Amino acid sequence: QSALTQPRSVSGSPGQSVTISCTGTSSDVGGYNYVSWYQQHPGKAPKLMIYDVSKRPSGVPDRFSGSKSGNTASLTISGLQAEDEADYYCCSYAGSYVFGTGTKVTVL
Amino acid sequence: QVQLVESGGGLVKPGGSLRLSCAASGFTFSDYYMSWIRQAPGKGLEWVSYISSSGSTIYYADSVKGRFTISRDNAKNSLYLQMNSLRAEDTAVYYCARASEGRTAFDYWGQGTLVTVSS
Repeated sequence: QSALTQPRSVSGSPGQSVTISCTGTSSDVGGYNYVSWYQQHPGKAPKLMIYDVSKRPSGVPDRFSGSKSGNTASLTISGLQAEDEADYYCCSYAGSYVFGTGTKVTVL
Repeated sequence: QVQLVESGGGLVKPGGSLRLSCAASGFTFSDYYMSWIRQAPGKGLEWVSYISSSGSTIYYADSVKGRFTISRDNAKNSLYLQMNSLRAEDTAVYYCARASEGRTAFDYWGQGTLVTVSS
């Protein structure tokens, strides 16, 4: 399977909203509601932020939200904070798993 | 609390072998699917393999099929990855991760262990 396509980087000022896209195909993102999102700070392990397209694990701030339309999933961070600066990866489950290419979020 | 601790990484020559281990605690290990996921230096995440809770179902990424073997010992709360015929492109941090109850995401990750394949 080919990696899902994400923008290389997005940026925003504190308090603003940013949206990261994750584009796949009808065989992965478009075919199942099993998209998850991970936050990774430098030198740290990834952390689950969203699963099953739009569900938030306990402890994840409600500033993080997920959605999907067709073959593209999206992660939106509202009220951007300095600690949100990190790399973000989407992942689709369709029997096996495929990750996105990753997006660096910069807080200006 | 859930803890996953990887070990066994290191420097190995091309064509060599290495066995990674992941010690799990804080949850009923035998109830969960487990995976190995890797990240080459400065690159993105790549799913490598998963194993079902009983060990009866196993899947591999095409990039490691035939060279890597995943296994688990539920009595020892441990996950393993036997890596043979290693290549330079296998150089990465290898993470052990627990699949969520629905198996659609990875809800807990270890801190990772670095494998370097170089002559």
